[in-house]
Amino acid sequence: DAGVIQSPRHEVTEMGQEVTLRCKPISGHDYLFWYRQTMMRGLELLIYFNNNVPIDDSGMPEDRFSAKMPNASFSTLKIQPSEPRDSAVYFCASSLRGLGNSPLHFGNGTRLTVT
Amino acid sequence: AQKVTQAQTEISVVEKEDVTLDCVYETRDTTYYLFWYKQPPSGELVFLIRRNSFDEQNEISGRYSWNFQKSTSSFNFTITASQVVDSAVYFCALKEEYGNKLVFGAGTILRVKS
Repeated sequence: DAGVIQSPRHEVTEMGQEVTLRCKPISGHDYLFWYRQTMMRGLELLIYFNNNVPIDDSGMPEDRFSAKMPNASFSTLKIQPSEPRDSAVYFCASSLRGLGNSPLHFGNGTRLTVT
Repeated sequence: AQKVTQAQTEISVVEKEDVTLDCVYETRDTTYYLFWYKQPPSGELVFLIRRNSFDEQNEISGRYSWNFQKSTSSFNFTITASQVVDSAVYFCALKEEYGNKLVFGAGTILRVKS
């Protein structure tokens, strides 16, 4: 079975530009998560969805960040406008029935560089 | 508040040595879940194990073993006869009873030299 698929793998953009990261979860998984990894802050949860509905977005750093899940097989994380401090690796992950019942499976990540 | 501490920032061993990665957690919940993930140089995060707080049995999977001790709030990970391919960053993580927030430790960099 295909794992979590993220695109693009690398993104380089200039400050002020809009950035959209994409994710396709594992088919049948009810939960989708967006994580960010930086040297300073490690791995931190940004937002997660259950059955396409955002459940906890308390980790979203600012209004510049937004996430959507229009259907069970697709989610986006958008940053508008982007800033150099947004440079990080962004991971999408999915879980079959939530972490109390099943593990988190991660995609390969998108490395974002904002210059 | 939940917290995971991986005090070892970096460990270097020679191939075939055994190595233990420490993980100490903090939670007020009686029901919680612990995880280990591996992040090799290629960057992906690979799931290794998930354990709930009611199951204190140690687990062995090939060269990997995990020692869960509630009395010391620890969930340590041992690699027996380490190999160069084990070189990676290893993360311990905790989920409390409610919600689906997985809190990660800072990670331990393991370098296995041939």
